[in-house]
Amino acid sequence: LAKTTQPISMDSYEGQEVNITCSHNNIATNDYITWYQQFPSQGPRFIIQGYKTKVTNEVASLFIPADRKSSTLSLPRVSLSDTAVYYCLVASGAGSYQLTFGKGTKLSVIP
Amino acid sequence: NAGVTQTPKFRVLKTGQSMTLLCAQDMNHEYMYWYRQDPGMGLRLIHYSVGEGTTAKGEVPDGYNVSRLKKQNFLLGLESAAPSQTSVYFCASRDPGQGAHDTQYFGPGTRLTVL
Repeated sequence: LAKTTQPISMDSYEGQEVNITCSHNNIATNDYITWYQQFPSQGPRFIIQGYKTKVTNEVASLFIPADRKSSTLSLPRVSLSDTAVYYCLVASGAGSYQLTFGKGTKLSVIP
Repeated sequence: NAGVTQTPKFRVLKTGQSMTLLCAQDMNHEYMYWYRQDPGMGLRLIHYSVGEGTTAKGEVPDGYNVSRLKKQNFLLGLESAAPSQTSVYFCASRDPGQGAHDTQYFGPGTRLTVL
């Protein structure tokens, strides 16, 4: 299982763009990169996934450089409701039964 | 479509008591997982199942047992609860056959306190 490294915490003001970077130096060829969001007292929920280059959905964008050794989750114009813990996971899908969650990045949005 | 549900939501046990946490999913997913989450520790995998009748150990299996008699249900048992098992327990399910890889769906959690 590829190990990931993320900042433990980040602070941001409302309306700013937030970028959270995840390092995964030993990512394998078949691995995908997935980000989850967890609000207090709730289970994590899937927000975005990618393999290479850029992926965008209604919630966030995910940037993955060519070497795939890192990825950046971008949250545009954050609001107070984006305060949560964000987890980066790397795994190869159907052949990977266990998925390892690190400690995640606690994002605090300040009014 | 309720997704993943967990029963109970809260429970207080005394040391040495036993209990079973129930997880149910209505998405026909093959894989199911039990995690525990402690303050500052992220989520740690206890046990998982890749299909009906199968179970496997995760990162922190000691003190827990599981059963997957029906595809939609995954039970987590504590035979003799200890204060170290005070935690929030999350169940998740996943279908690796779907287009999105590794998308796990989580339940709302069970907050367990062992006195």
